[in-house]
Formats: sequence, C-alpha cells, structure tokens
Amino acid sequence: NAGVTQTPKFQVLKTGQSMTLQCAQDMNHNSMYWYRQDPGMGLRLIYYSASEGTTDKGEVPNGYNVSRLNKREFSLRLESAAPSQTSVYFCASARAGRGGNQPQHFGDGTRLSIL
Amino acid sequence: AQSVTQPDIHITVSEGASLELRCNYSYGATPYLFWYVQSPGQGLQLLLKYFSGDTLVQGIKGFEAEFKRSQSSFNLRKPSVHWSDAAEYFCAALTGTASKLTFGTGTRLQVML
Repeated sequence: NAGVTQTPKFQVLKTGQSMTLQCAQDMNHNSMYWYRQDPGMGLRLIYYSASEGTTDKGEVPNGYNVSRLNKREFSLRLESAAPSQTSVYFCASARAGRGGNQPQHFGDGTRLSIL
Repeated sequence: AQSVTQPDIHITVSEGASLELRCNYSYGATPYLFWYVQSPGQGLQLLLKYFSGDTLVQGIKGFEAEFKRSQSSFNLRKPSVHWSDAAEYFCAALTGTASKLTFGTGTRLQVML
C-alpha cells in the first residue's frame, strides 16, 4: 500500500535549470496538493487540484507550474530554478468529501537544493 | 485573514512526563482542525481531527486534543510521553473547500531520557 509516492527524494540543481517533481497516489483520491516546507514557516500551499482537470493557485505559486496528468498524478515544475526555491516539497492527496473536510495524506517529500 | 498559531517553537519534556502542545486559530467560523506529526526525514502523518461534536478527540499513538471555542484553541495532549514521540508537530485548519489546509509553523518536541 504505497499511498503517496514522490520522486525524486533528493535533487540538486543549478540556478536557471528546470525540473519536474513527480507525485502519484494510489488511493483513488480526487484532490491533490503541492506544499513547500521551510524552517520556521510550516507548510505553505503552492498549488492544488481539487479534481482531475482542474488546478488552482495556493499561497505561494510564483515560479511554479503544475499539471494534473490524470487522477493519480500531479506534477510540479520549476521552469527556471532560483536559490529561494531551495526547500522540501511535499505532495498530498485527499478524498473529496462533502464540504471538503477529508484529511490529507502526505508523501515523504523531495529535498531540493538550488545552487 | 485566517491563521493558525503554534506559540511554542521548541518544547523539551522528560520521558514519562505529560505533554501539551498549544494551537490557536483565527477563523470566522469553527474550522475543521487537525494535528499532524512529522518524524525526521518523513512526511506528515495524521494524528487526529476535529470536525464537530465531542470537543475531546482521541487520536493515534495515545494522543488527544481538546477543542475550546471560547479560547479558539485546539491543544494536543499526551499523558505520558515516550522517547519515540520526539518529532515535529503541526496544527492545521481547513480553509474553504477542496480540503485546503493552513498550517501552523510547528512545534519541535524533544524527549529527554
């Protein structure tokens, strides 16, 4: 029972390089999310997808793009990486519920360093 | 603006001692509230959730939390801490639809043996 799987687990990039972080869930969840975690700031929502075919901006979307490839997969792309994007990135998913009150399930994170 | 506050950045307790981690929220209505735990190098695991009804909710690993509307609080408690409880703990509140979460900044728990 894999849950939410993120790849890669670690990555080092140079400033200006591009990269796509992959996320897949096997729980048949409708909603998926991308967060970044920085020391002392908790988790901040970058983008989310309430259902297949839809994506919306979260709190800190600048510098990122997302694709909801299908119900299982939700990718996060950095087109031109900047040192400020050094962070730990978490993908999460949730079963759509009435009122949207279903808890989120998290992957183990991708640790990204931009030099 | 809606927000979640965890006033304690770091807490140290002795193994076997009781624990209380504080969480305050600022919302127009009663939000749905969650506590998550993050072990080093891992993702977040749901400890417990509060939606409505009984204000004392039980979670996994012996944790419980009490919702107090008058204090806008949702504090996490455990009667006797184990060394394996050392981790970072996040309080979160649901915002709007689509299960979007707003997180507090986290409390790091250290357990002394």
